[in-house]
Order: sequence, then C-alpha cells, then structure tokens
Amino acid sequence: SQTIHQWPATLVQPVGSPLSLECTVEGTSNPNLYWYRQAAGRGLQLLFYSVGIGQISSEVPQNLSASRPQDRQFILSSKKLLLSDSGFYLCAWSESADTQYFGPGTRLTVL
Amino acid sequence: GESVGLHLPTLSVQEGDNSIINCAYSNSASDYFIWYKQESGKGPQFIIDIRSNMDKRQGQRVTVLLNKTVKHLSLQIAATQPGDSAVYFCAEIRPLWVSFGAGTTVTVRA
Repeated sequence: SQTIHQWPATLVQPVGSPLSLECTVEGTSNPNLYWYRQAAGRGLQLLFYSVGIGQISSEVPQNLSASRPQDRQFILSSKKLLLSDSGFYLCAWSESADTQYFGPGTRLTVL
Repeated sequence: GESVGLHLPTLSVQEGDNSIINCAYSNSASDYFIWYKQESGKGPQFIIDIRSNMDKRQGQRVTVLLNKTVKHLSLQIAATQPGDSAVYFCAEIRPLWVSFGAGTTVTVRA
C-alpha cells in the first residue's frame, strides 16, 4: 500500500531564516505531488504541483520554492521566511488527475 | 472566479443523530467530487467520492448525494459518533487541480 510521509511534524523558525520541508511517498511510481498551505480556519491553498522529476508548477507567487530531486520526493523551501509563511503545510500525492491523498502535515510557526 | 464552498462553517450534532453537511459548487463542467475529513492537527483523509454520472454513493455510515441541477453536494453521516468530530471539506477535482472549500467544523455532543 501507498504511504506518504512529511517531516518535520512541527517547526518554529525565526523571520528571515531558511526553510526546508520534506515529503516522501512510498508504494507508487511517478506520482503527481502537491504542496498545500492551510492557514488557521481556512481552506487549502495549492502552492506547487509536480507531474515528474524536475517538473514544478507554481500556483501562487511567493517567497517559497519547490523541488523534486527524486521520483517520490518533494521538497518545499524558502531562503528567507516571512511571518505570513506560518501555517500548516500539507503534501499530497495522486496517481493521475484523480484522488489526492494527504500526508500528516507540518505545522510551521514563524516568529 | 469559480469555486467550491460549504454552506455552514460549523455544525453541532447530538451523538447518535444523523449529520448532513452541504456543499455548493459553481463549475458545471466538474465531474468528480470528494469529501475529506480533517481531524485537528492532521492531514485530510479521503472519506468518499462521487462522479457526475451518479446521484448517490454510500460508504460505511456515510452517503454522498450529488444534485447536478442545482450544483449541490452533501455528505450524510449516520449515527454520528464522537470520533466524527472534525472539519469536513468537499473538493472539486479537475485535471491537476483541486478546489477546496474552507470546511465545516462538526462537533458531536455527548
């Protein structure tokens, strides 16, 4: 069966510091991968999606970036965090343009 | 723009009663919908899906109804239990795109 992992689970970072969140998927090949951000009490905002290694599409202009160095690895990064980057970050995968399955999430607090 | 939304942000339900969570969508071309459940501090979990060629689909204690005429989607939870307390999202699926509503927070009263 397929599983999706995210780490770290929680992170507290100062403003201006870098960020690296990692997501890995097991049990499937060439998945579509997604990064979402969820602000408190709000819905999910799609940040990036990837249909293959090295292929990244950005949905929202911001100071975040994403990379996919391996087939089942998706990384969300920032060179300098802003206060507004605080939130719950979710990684998801799908086999095609179909049901997305979510990871456990990373709670990021920028102080 | 077109979006998916939920009618009510909160729903309080007595344990054992049935819950009904509603969702309206605006893209009449959408043909696939999912309900997710998100417990506090966790990622959303897939509950049930439905395609536009269906009006109703049943799972374990859950039923999703789709009314394409009025572009309305609902999730019914039978005999609501404390473990059903969570935020419920409807999602509209398009190729490489998902639109989510802000969610309905369901609280189950003992």
